[in-house]
Amino acid sequence: NAGVTQTPKFRVLKTGQSMTLLCAQDMNHEYMYWYRQDPGMGLRLIHYSVGEGTTAKGEVPDGYNVSRLKKQNFLLGLESAAPSQTSVYFCATGEGIQPQHFGDGTRLSIL
Amino acid sequence: ELKVEQNPLFLSMQEGKNYTIYCNYSTTSDRLYWYRQDPGKSLESLFVLLSNGAVKQEGRLMASLDTKARLSTLHITAAVHDLSATYFCAVAEGNKLVFGAGTILRVKS
Repeated sequence: NAGVTQTPKFRVLKTGQSMTLLCAQDMNHEYMYWYRQDPGMGLRLIHYSVGEGTTAKGEVPDGYNVSRLKKQNFLLGLESAAPSQTSVYFCATGEGIQPQHFGDGTRLSIL
Repeated sequence: ELKVEQNPLFLSMQEGKNYTIYCNYSTTSDRLYWYRQDPGKSLESLFVLLSNGAVKQEGRLMASLDTKARLSTLHITAAVHDLSATYFCAVAEGNKLVFGAGTILRVKS
C-alpha cells in the first residue's frame, strides 16, 4: 500500500525473544495505529498515537510497547514474545480517529 | 465497553443475487465505518457514515446507518465475483475504532 510501509513482512520467533516491528509513513498523518488480526476476531487495537511523542493504549496492549519518536515512524515492540502473540499485525495511519491507510501487514509466528 | 457484532460471519451467494450484511453495536455512537479486505491483503476503506440516516453507495454496495437502532447495513446488489472479500464494520468509541469480526463473502458463478 502506497504510503505505509511495514517491516518485516514475515518473522518467526522463539518464545521469550524480543523484536521490533517498524511502521513508516510518508503522508504526514498525525494518527498512527497498531492492530493485530486473529481469525474470527476482526482487528483489535494494540496501541495508537495521536502525534509525535505521544502514545496511548488500545484494547489489547499487554505484552507490547510502542514509541513514536518521529512523526513518520511508529514502532511496536515485543519484549518477551509469547505464542499468544502469533498474529498478523497491521499498522495504519489517518488524519483522525479513522485509520485510512493500512500497511501490508507483518505475519508473526512465535514458537 | 463497546461490542460490535456482524452477521452473518460467512456468506456464500450466487452471482446476480442481493443480500445484506448487518452490523450491530452496543453503545451510542454516530460514527461507523466499513472496510474491505481481500484474502492475504490489507484493509481498504469503503464507507464513512457520520450521522443517523446516512447512506452511501458505490457501485453494487450501499451502506446505511441507523444510530437509534445501533445498526448499520451493507447491502449488495446483483453480486459479482469481484465482490468476494471480507467486510468489516468499525464503530467509533472515543478516539478509536472497535471492529466487528468480519463477514467473509464468497460470490459463486
